[in-house]
Parts: sequence; structure tokens; C-alpha cells
Amino acid sequence: RKEVEQDPGPFNVPEGATVAFNCTYSNSASQSFFWYRQDCRKEPKLLMSVYSSGNEDGRFTAQLNRASQYISLLIRDSKLSDSATYLCVVRDSGYALNFGKGTSLLVTP
Amino acid sequence: NAGVTQTPKFQVLKTGQSMTLQCAQDMNHEYMSWYRQDPGMGLRLIHYSVGAGITDQGEVPNGYNVSRSTTEDFPLRLLSAAPSQTSVYFCASSYSGEDTQYFGPGTRLTVL
Repeated sequence: RKEVEQDPGPFNVPEGATVAFNCTYSNSASQSFFWYRQDCRKEPKLLMSVYSSGNEDGRFTAQLNRASQYISLLIRDSKLSDSATYLCVVRDSGYALNFGKGTSLLVTP
Repeated sequence: NAGVTQTPKFQVLKTGQSMTLQCAQDMNHEYMSWYRQDPGMGLRLIHYSVGAGITDQGEVPNGYNVSRSTTEDFPLRLLSAAPSQTSVYFCASSYSGEDTQYFGPGTRLTVL
């Protein structure tokens, strides 16, 4: 099985802080990359896709480094509502998604 | 649209019992899949389907059967439940395998 590795955390940060997560993947032929968010006892939901050129959605910025095979997620101005587990997800040549184990984020007042 | 729905939300089985986890989607998605999520593990693919009448195995298919008689429904059958199948099961769907996958709310299964 192709591996997707993440630091499990937890990351405890105060409101307003900037926090970054990294993820590495083992299959150099991987084709698509995503960050999903999973709240406690809920289903995963797509946060954003990750493109080679990097992409931004409000306070969230995702970047992909194919040469080093890592993906990053930057969250600026953290909100209490950002507390969740963030899943790094990679799709190889088929349809299956490979999930990392997730990084836990807790934003505190 | 209801999106992806799963029933039941919770289930307790005894070892050796069989049951079917239901999954349905109303988005006319061709691709559907089943994952299980265990503590300390990433989601792992059990089975998937690229369209009605077509199914294939994922990473952890043993002990599970699927069928896809309609575009909307993709049930997962546990043939003879074992404690190792205690897990949270998520169904997902997308227009194609390359598109964003939408997950159902999950079924929490405990096998005693």
C-alpha cells in the first residue's frame, strides 16, 4: 500500500495564530492531492484540492512539492471553528484515495 | 438533494451474525465506494464500484461483499461478523473516480 504520512499532533494553538501541517507521500506517480477536514465523529469533507501551482481559499493555503513529495496546508488567523482533524489524501493512478491518519488541531481561546 | 445517506447509524452484532449496511446517493454519481476507519488508522478502501453492475476490491475486502444493481444504491454485506470488523464505515460517491468524493455520515459497528 502506498503510504501517506502525517504528524498526528495534536497541534494546540491560540486563536489568531498561523499553523502549518505537512504531509509526505511515497508514490511519485500520484496524480491528485487533497486536504479533507473531519470533525469529531463526523464524515470527512473536502477542504481543498492541492495543485502544483499552489492554491488559496480564504485563510487556507495549500501547496504541493512534487520533487520532495510533500503537501502542506497553512491556516492563517485560526478560529475556534477550525478545530478538527485534517486528513491528507492522495489519489494514485486508479480511483482509490489513500488517506493519511490525520493531524489533530485544537484552537483555544 | 439528500446527498449520501447511510443506514443504520449504529449497530451492534454478535460474532457470526450477518448484516447489510445501506448506502444511497441521489446525485447520479457513477462512482461509489466503502471505507472503514479504525482508531489510529487512515480510512481504508473496502470495495468500490465505477457504475451499476461493476464492482471491484479495495485494500481490505475480506469478509465483505458488495453489489451495485442500481446507480443509487451500494450496499455492503458482512457475511459472518468478527470483532476485527468493529469500525466506523463510510460510504462515498463521486461523478467519476477522479472527482471530489462526498461521504455519508457513517455507520458505527460494534461486533461482540
